Amino acid sequence: NAGVTQTPKFRVLKTGQSMTLLCAQDMNHEYMYWYRQDPGMGLRLIHYSVGEGTTAKGEVPDGYNVSRLKKQNFLLGLESAAPSQTSVYFCASSWHDEQYFGPGTRLTVT
Amino acid sequence: GQSLEQPSEVTAVEGAIVQINCTYQTSGFYGLSWYQQHDGGAPTFLSYNGLDGLEETGRFSSFLSRSDSYGYLLLQELQMKDSASYFCAVHRDDKIIFGKGTRLHILP
Repeated sequence: NAGVTQTPKFRVLKTGQSMTLLCAQDMNHEYMYWYRQDPGMGLRLIHYSVGEGTTAKGEVPDGYNVSRLKKQNFLLGLESAAPSQTSVYFCASSWHDEQYFGPGTRLTVT
Repeated sequence: GQSLEQPSEVTAVEGAIVQINCTYQTSGFYGLSWYQQHDGGAPTFLSYNGLDGLEETGRFSSFLSRSDSYGYLLLQELQMKDSASYFCAVHRDDKIIFGKGTRLHILP
């Protein structure tokens, strides 16, 4: 099993550009999450999903959209990137009370 | 709303015991978990407390007291590889909300 994978690993965007981050899991988990991590801020929940076709807002959803068309995939979109969205993005899926994290995507917006 | 407080940094000596505290203010809370993250890596699950009391997993133990809105992670027989950041996280509804993390420094 690959676990949780994220694509891409690194990306540099210019302000105003758009992009989609892909998260995939092969563990048949219902719940999936997107977090961002900034120095000194810990992990902040952006959006999450409790099953295929469902999404919900987390702590910091502004500027992001998500979709969960297939159970194994959870996509995070940035429609118009801003320098404040420079961060490391982690996806996670969960089984009961344990979360499994992907390796992260390091995004820089210039 | 919810908030979690944990120390930003803790320093301990190799072979010793260290305790990382976490206090929380949240409604509808039903569990507390702990994660470890090494520099450049992804968080990994350490433990979960759904009930009050102590949970032990090898060198790591975690404690929860709902009446005190308090929990801690206890690391015994510290090894240099335990140098990492440790996050407490509250489980509320379908969400898991993380604290800002505690950086653990281990001295030889």
